[in-house]
This record gives sequence, C-alpha cells and structure tokens, in this order.
Amino acid sequence: KAGVTQTPRYLIKTRGQQVTLSCSPISGHRSVSWYQQTPGQGLQFLFEYFSETQRNKGNFPGRFSGRQFSNSRSEMNVSTLELGDSALYLCASSSLWTTNTGELFFGEGSRLTVL
Amino acid sequence: AQTVTQSQPEMSVQEAETVTLSCTYDTSENNYYLFWYKQPPSRQMILVIRQEAYKQQNATENRFSVNFQKAAKSFSLKISDSQLGDTAMYFCAFMKSGVGNEKLTFGTGTRLTIIP
Repeated sequence: KAGVTQTPRYLIKTRGQQVTLSCSPISGHRSVSWYQQTPGQGLQFLFEYFSETQRNKGNFPGRFSGRQFSNSRSEMNVSTLELGDSALYLCASSSLWTTNTGELFFGEGSRLTVL
Repeated sequence: AQTVTQSQPEMSVQEAETVTLSCTYDTSENNYYLFWYKQPPSRQMILVIRQEAYKQQNATENRFSVNFQKAAKSFSLKISDSQLGDTAMYFCAFMKSGVGNEKLTFGTGTRLTIIP
C-alpha cells in the first residue's frame, strides 16, 4: 500500500508569489491534515479536511488555505509569500479506523524556501 | 487549549544503553491520546508508540515503552538497548479522542543521537 505522497518535495519561491502544495493520502483514508514545521515554531497544525470539508483549522492567517477533492487528495495554497513561510510542510492522513486509534500517517513533506 | 512540553532539546547515549525522553502536557480533557513520533533525518514522521488516557497500563512496543502518569500529566518514553537507527528527532504529541479531532499538538522535540 502506497504511503502519503507529497509533491513537490522541494521548491523555491520569492516573496509575494504564491505556492500550491499537493498531498495524496493513503488509499482509503479520507482525513487529510497539514502541518508547518519550522526551527523556531516547531510543528504547528494548519488545517484538516474530511470528505472535502474543512473540519479543523489552526491559527494561521488567511493567506494559508486548503481544499480537498472527491478522491481525498488535498492541496494547500499560500498566497503573498513571506520569508517566514519558509518551512517544511507536512501532510498526514487517517482513516475512520486509524482515527479510532488516533494515529496519523505522514508524508515526507514539501520543503518551501522563500527568498 | 492543550500544550505539550519537552524540556530536553538534545540527548545522546551510547549504543545499547537505555535512554528516557521526558514529556509533560496540560489539558482539561479527560479522553485523549498521547503519542511519541520519530522523525529521522529523512524527515518522514513515524509513530513510535501511543497511549490512550483511559488505560492505566503503560504501552510497550518492543524496545520502546512509556511511563504514563495521568495525574501528573507526564508521558516519558524509554528506549532500551538503543540502536544507531534510533537517532532522530522525537516528538511527544497530544490528540483529543473522538472522530473529528484529528489534530495533533506537538512538543518542541528532542534530538536523540545514538553514539556507536
């Protein structure tokens, strides 16, 4: 069974640009959540989607948005990039059954560098 | 809101020794999960061990075990017979139980180095 796949793995953008990151969950998983990892702030929850609906949202500005498609694939978008958005963005998925155990399955992340 | 605190930014131990990583948390919830996740240098986060708050028995997974003290809100990880492959960042994490609560609150992590 394929794991959580995130694309692209690495990308470089300049301030003011926007970026879209993609996440394909494990087959059968309907919940997808996103986390931002930085040296200064650690791991912070961005948002979580289930069946194309945002169920949970972290404390990030409106420049950070996401969506989920009918096949459970998810994208997150960051507009008007700032230097502080440089981070590793991690996606995690879970199924109804793994939700009952609380376990999330993580992808390898997308490393965003903003210049 | 929940908080998770890991007070040991870095630790190192000789191969085959035992090491304990500390974690404390704060919550007003009664039903929740606690986790230890491992993030090796390749970056993919991997679940090491989980504990359900309602269970008094400490979780064990092979060389990994936890000491869960609910009243003290403490959740430490013990790694026995440490191996070079255990070198990684270790994150303690909290999640409220129940469907729709798929949100992890992480500690700041402990960088563990196993010395050959």
